[in-house]
Amino acid sequence: AQSVTQLDSHVSVSEGTPVLLRCNYSSSYSPSLFWYVQHPNKGLQLLLKYTSAATLVKGINGFEAEFKKSETSFHLTKPSAHMSDAAEYFCVVSTYSGGGADGLTFGKGTHLIIQP
Amino acid sequence: DTEVTQTPKHLVMGMTNKKSLKCEQHMGHRAMYWYKQKAKKPPELMFVYSYEKLSINESVPSRFSPECPNSSLLNLHLHALQPEDSALYLCASSPSSAGNTIYFGEGSWLTVV
Repeated sequence: AQSVTQLDSHVSVSEGTPVLLRCNYSSSYSPSLFWYVQHPNKGLQLLLKYTSAATLVKGINGFEAEFKKSETSFHLTKPSAHMSDAAEYFCVVSTYSGGGADGLTFGKGTHLIIQP
Repeated sequence: DTEVTQTPKHLVMGMTNKKSLKCEQHMGHRAMYWYKQKAKKPPELMFVYSYEKLSINESVPSRFSPECPNSSLLNLHLHALQPEDSALYLCASSPSSAGNTIYFGEGSWLTVV
């Protein structure tokens, strides 16, 4: 069985300050992990993915995430928030090496608010 | 290019209407998916097609009927929907159904009146 817990339903930061979105996972197998972003009234865009290569994964728009097996965590960070980062972020786990939908589990999402 | 194209972007239909949502990808992906997303919720898997064959149906009501005419196209036929079916319908694709990243389209906003 696999599960994903996004620890914060809402995160609010000021523009120019660091962003931390927290995600813990549970998986019976070596997981593949993803972060997707969804801007208002848009589809889901892949930010980054971890598939058992480097534990620090760099994604688009300055985001990165670190896979920590001992803590079963895959937190998303960005050094400096921009107004355009305001969106819903989903942490996703798959039991397959890349993430086929038949093994895909979504977290409930974290709503990121950027204060001017 | 990781583009999945969905049409229409918005659809309003009555409960007795028949309509279709369309999805297209030209990335050579062999798996395609339909997801349903309600407001402020994560997407829920509806159907998976692998090599143009339906491989997963997540107990979706028969008023939703998927079709995969070829490896690039995926349709979702809608008939006799209920107001609670109003949602964002997302199409996605991946190189294969097991073990690859999936890429989402922008979605079709469906309102049932």
